[in-house]
Amino acid sequence: EVQVVQSGAEVKKPGESLKISCKASEYSFTNYWIGWVRQMPGKGLEWMGFIYPGDSNTRYGPSFQGQVTISADKSISTAYLQWSSLKASDTAIYYCARISRAYGPFDYWGQGTLVTVSS
Amino acid sequence: IQLTQSPSSLSASVGDRVTITCRASQSISTYLNWYQQKPGKAPKLLIYAASSLQSGVPSRFSGSGSVTDFTLTISSLQPEDFATYYCQQSSSAMWTFGQGTEVEIK
Repeated sequence: EVQVVQSGAEVKKPGESLKISCKASEYSFTNYWIGWVRQMPGKGLEWMGFIYPGDSNTRYGPSFQGQVTISADKSISTAYLQWSSLKASDTAIYYCARISRAYGPFDYWGQGTLVTVSS
Repeated sequence: IQLTQSPSSLSASVGDRVTITCRASQSISTYLNWYQQKPGKAPKLLIYAASSLQSGVPSRFSGSGSVTDFTLTISSLQPEDFATYYCQQSSSAMWTFGQGTEVEIK
């Protein structure tokens, strides 16, 4: 069965860097896009961007371009979302999810990673 | 592309027929998906390509529409259906979600 498992909760201070992970299993990692979605406390879902691990082709949503970096390591079937300098406003749950096919939906979701940024 | 869901919230009883709409700011053909999210849980795919039922999802859920206007219908609301529902478009390189519709118990 397809699985997408994310890294655990993080508590960071403003200005710190962070990289969270999303490990996929039971499917061909390089043949499916993986996306990231933000959910701020009590708010809705926001598409951040996605990556095609086969060639590292990456797209970002306008609000996230330049704010985060999405990457992938094919050798361990893992995608990443990273920040170089966190802000308090980055506090949120971050989900990764597999995209079923080109222009298709998110079909398998990770459990979410809570990132708390506080001084 | 903006997606506008209505209503933002609704109260309904078990057994009710519930309809949620999603309007796109420009044509998205049928590149429209619906998700259900319960508190503390990841979203779950219900409907893809506007009207296709995801495997394992009960048949009381259905989707319709094309171009700019879409509908998610729950034919007979069950206790486990109280949740927040989101539409999402995948027609372009920039994806978006609707703002969500919270379905509460009346």
